[in-house]
Amino acid sequence: GQQLNQSPQSMFIQEGEDVSMNCTSSSIFNTWLWYKQDPGEGPVLLIALYKAGELTSNGRLTAQFGITRKDSFLNISASIPSDVGIYFCAGQVTSGSRLTFGEGTQLTVNP
Amino acid sequence: GAVVSQHPSWVICKSGTSVKIECRSLDFQATTMFWYRQFPKQSLMLMATSNEGSKATYEQGVEKDKFLINHASLTLSTLTVTSAHPEDSSFYICSARGTGLFYEQYFGPGTRLTVT
Repeated sequence: GQQLNQSPQSMFIQEGEDVSMNCTSSSIFNTWLWYKQDPGEGPVLLIALYKAGELTSNGRLTAQFGITRKDSFLNISASIPSDVGIYFCAGQVTSGSRLTFGEGTQLTVNP
Repeated sequence: GAVVSQHPSWVICKSGTSVKIECRSLDFQATTMFWYRQFPKQSLMLMATSNEGSKATYEQGVEKDKFLINHASLTLSTLTVTSAHPEDSSFYICSARGTGLFYEQYFGPGTRLTVT
């Protein structure tokens, strides 16, 4: 089946640093989504990308849909303690189809 | 917008009993709802997809007689874990998808099930 490889698995950074994480796939996805999950909570949608090459921002977050449709990255600038959590990428082959999730990136921000 | 609630947020039950978890879309109509299971430090695993008024479609390996899903209205889906066993203990998360502006999957806060 389809798989998303998400890296890194975990990151430990200092407050104020920028963060970058990415997802790659062996097959094409036509929608890429990035979610954040806090402990004991459900994932919250951060950014949705619908077009190859698209670069979208949401506050300090920026995500890009890779031109090959097989990858996406998420950047967080000037990290703050509340950025702590698990970030998941997810891909959809077609809009509205099932989500394929990456394994998640655990982010820890030291004050 | 796009708020999804789940009830209860946590539940403890004894082996052999059944547990029902509710998932509601509060400010949009959910034409499709999804149920996921998540083990500690792992990603989300899709269990089933349900469209309002239709039978749920279960993923391979998920027992439909054990995990009963009902999507009776555009704002409510329920997951019933029947004859629960300790190995059913997990974090269950629903998501809902509507139409138009709400076409992506929006997740509920999850339900922690512990079977003793």
